Amino acid sequence: GQQLNQSPQSMFIQEGEDVSMNCTSSSIFNTWLWYKQDPGEGPVLLIALYKAGELTSNGRLTAQFGITRKDSFLNISASIPSDVGIYFCAGKTGANNLFFGTGTRLTVIP
Amino acid sequence: GAVVSQHPSWVICKSGTSVKIECRSLDFQATTMFWYRQFPKQSLMLMATSNEGSKATYEQGVEKDKFLINHASLTLSTLTVTSAHPEDSSFYICSFDGWSYNEQFFGPGTRLTVL
Repeated sequence: GQQLNQSPQSMFIQEGEDVSMNCTSSSIFNTWLWYKQDPGEGPVLLIALYKAGELTSNGRLTAQFGITRKDSFLNISASIPSDVGIYFCAGKTGANNLFFGTGTRLTVIP
Repeated sequence: GAVVSQHPSWVICKSGTSVKIECRSLDFQATTMFWYRQFPKQSLMLMATSNEGSKATYEQGVEKDKFLINHASLTLSTLTVTSAHPEDSSFYICSFDGWSYNEQFFGPGTRLTVL
């Protein structure tokens, strides 16, 4: 299946700092999704992006669908302790299947 | 977002036994549901796509005779791990497509431990 690489793999930041992570693929996707997963839980949808160049915000989160349709980034502003978790990007082609990225583990130090 | 439940949330079983995991959509009728597997510190890997009233479609490398999927109604899909072995120990998560724009909503997951 498609390979989606996320970077960085992990981040340790101070509370209040901004966070940026990105996702790249060798394949083109029609939809990009960003999820957050807490330990022992299923992923929760944060932001969905549907067209190239789209920039979408959800509270302190902002994500963009890359113009090439092969990448996306997620920014978190003014991080708080509850932002801790694993963030996954996911790409979707015309079919139903989602392909997940490798994940970015975020730790926020109070 | 839509609500998806899974039962049980965790299960421990002996090697050789079968385990059934249920996935229910509580506020939406889902024609298509998905089953994923996630090993520790790894990403989610799609196992199969389950369509209501028809046979599931399995991803390459996933044994359909070992992971039996039944999607008998628009709100319920089940995954049965047959003759489980320790290497089947994993976090199993179901999901279904949302009602707009190709979003997917995930269940809380079931942690299977095979002794």
